[in-house]
Amino acid sequence: ETGVTQSPTHLIKTRGQQVTLRCSSQSGHNTVSWYQQALGQGPQFIFQYYREEENGRGNFPPRFSGLQFPNYSSELNVNALELDDSALYLCASKREGPSAEQYFGPGTRLTVT
Amino acid sequence: AQRVTQPEKLLSVFKGAPVELKCNYSYSGSPELFWYVQYSRQRLQLLLRHISRESIKGFTADLNKGETSFHLKKPFAQEEDSAMYYCALSSPTGNQFYFGTGTSLTVIP
Repeated sequence: ETGVTQSPTHLIKTRGQQVTLRCSSQSGHNTVSWYQQALGQGPQFIFQYYREEENGRGNFPPRFSGLQFPNYSSELNVNALELDDSALYLCASKREGPSAEQYFGPGTRLTVT
Repeated sequence: AQRVTQPEKLLSVFKGAPVELKCNYSYSGSPELFWYVQYSRQRLQLLLRHISRESIKGFTADLNKGETSFHLKKPFAQEEDSAMYYCALSSPTGNQFYFGTGTSLTVIP
């Protein structure tokens, strides 16, 4: 069983730029969630995709957007980067259902300068 | 507002001593509760979930709806329990998630 993978591992961007982060879900998982984890904080839920549709969203502005593809891989796009967007971005995949276990990827470390 | 609170950022116990990591939550409805753990240089992974009512690696967690708490307990701490622990909840429909800020547990040999 292939685990969740994320790319790239690290990324440095300039304020105002746009960034795309990628996630490959674990085999058999049709649901993916994205999280932002600032230093010293817990993961903050950005949004969730289920069968290519966004079906849940946290308290993040519209410049955070996503896509999920038919093979259940996904992207997180962030426009107009701000310094506060510097964080570890995690994706997690799972089967459907509220109590299903989430499997996390290793994360992408984004630095905005 | 929905919230998960872990009051202790750091917790140190001696090997063999009991350990309790506190978690309180605020949610209007009946959420699902979880504990996730992150060992050094590893990914975040599920430790246990309330619905399973299971004991994993000697850890248990009891949901107290009156006190809105979901504390994690282990009667005898082991050195390999040293890790970061996150309490989390999901909405009943499973499309919203909230994590606490985490407690770093150190078990002293």
